[in-house]
Amino acid sequence: GESVGLHLPTLSVQEGDNSIINCAYSNSASDYFIWYKQESGKGPQFIIDIRSNMDKRQGQRVTVLLNKTVKHLSLQIAATQPGDSAVYFCAENILDTGFQKLVFGTGTRLLVSP
Amino acid sequence: DAGVIQSPRHEVTEMGQEVTLRCKPISGHDYLFWYRQTMMRGLELLIYFNNNVPIDDSGMPEDRFSAKMPNASFSTLKIQPSEPRDSAVYFCASSLNRDPNEKLFFGSGTQLSVL
Repeated sequence: GESVGLHLPTLSVQEGDNSIINCAYSNSASDYFIWYKQESGKGPQFIIDIRSNMDKRQGQRVTVLLNKTVKHLSLQIAATQPGDSAVYFCAENILDTGFQKLVFGTGTRLLVSP
Repeated sequence: DAGVIQSPRHEVTEMGQEVTLRCKPISGHDYLFWYRQTMMRGLELLIYFNNNVPIDDSGMPEDRFSAKMPNASFSTLKIQPSEPRDSAVYFCASSLNRDPNEKLFFGSGTQLSVL
């Protein structure tokens, strides 16, 4: 079988709190960033994206912040709910290349307690 | 649309056996991707197709892995012979085209365990 791998960083919050999940990306040429949510037994699901010409984008209860200077991305979830419990991945890409160049981060597990 | 459909959901096999994973992309999507997910390496792209043609298989780990897309609605990923280190979750994903406004949609994955 597989050898023991990395343990995912975990963020534990109470229902109703705001959550902030952070991600450092590696390629300074990346100009497109996506956050995915992966629930247990499911594939990654698109949450929100942002292009490098922006530093903030808001969706429904979620906000993504991009700091290109330090190559840092964050996902903020407002009023976190138990249904938000999942693993969250950031992904970086170069827009013109298509999804074949999409690089995923290692993920952060979010645990929401009622 | 039912989304990207993968089968089987779970596969348990013995070392040395052939394993075939199946994928039905979203109708009309031109691009199909096969990913492998492990705790050690995270999500890795194995191969992708454009209009049923394999474009880049540089992520395929070894010659034991092969993938085909005989038509626009079906793709297979085959491992022969399988080894315990192939144990992972294998995802298929599809996208409409290269337009950056489009999204990448994932199936629910096949959990493969090779004993």
